[in-house]
Amino acid sequence: AQTVTQSQPEMSVQEAETVTLSCTYDTSESDYYLFWYKQPPSRQMILVIRQEAYKQQNATENRFSVNFQKAAKSFSLKISDSQLGDAAMYFCAYRRGYNQGGKLIFGQGTELSVKP
Amino acid sequence: GAGVSQTPSNKVTEKGKYVELRCDPISGHTALYWYRQSLGQGPEFLIYFQGTGAADDSGLPNDRFFAVRPEGSVSTLKIQRTERGDSAVYLCASSARGRGVEAFFGQGTRLTVV
Repeated sequence: AQTVTQSQPEMSVQEAETVTLSCTYDTSESDYYLFWYKQPPSRQMILVIRQEAYKQQNATENRFSVNFQKAAKSFSLKISDSQLGDAAMYFCAYRRGYNQGGKLIFGQGTELSVKP
Repeated sequence: GAGVSQTPSNKVTEKGKYVELRCDPISGHTALYWYRQSLGQGPEFLIYFQGTGAADDSGLPNDRFFAVRPEGSVSTLKIQRTERGDSAVYLCASSARGRGVEAFFGQGTRLTVV
């Protein structure tokens, strides 16, 4: 069975600084996707960034980038130039490959606070 | 609507009662998922529909939980004989078919069993 682990329950960053959230996962499959979701107090999960396992290049979306280490089964999220609006719960998630069903397996979450 | 809609937003019920939670997915999305998120935890998968049929219901915790999607659009999650341990946020998500497609989430229903 696949598992996702986030070992940092809480993180804090100064506005405009950079922060990295950690995530490790366990799977025996070679085809899968990894995601970072943001959940503000409104409860709605918002996709931040995704990575396909077969792509070696790390995904980047504006201020958000990942460090995908497939052999180490590590998938960290870097937020650059942190903004007050980045404060939220962040969840790392795993999904099996195409045609394997699309259910997501989530980590326990990291609560990010941004200090002005 | 433009996004996934879940109703009600909040539901308080007494232990032992029956509840129904509704999810309206994004129009045209064939896949629909239900998740349960307990306080301070990540969401846990409950059930996945592809069209009208439940393609994977392995996450349903017991036979008090049941979900339907009779016309391949709206889905209802049904919980019988509610227990205090059922208190959680129930999230619904939908996605289109295709490789790597994004799942879009609703704002969830917060269920409180007293």
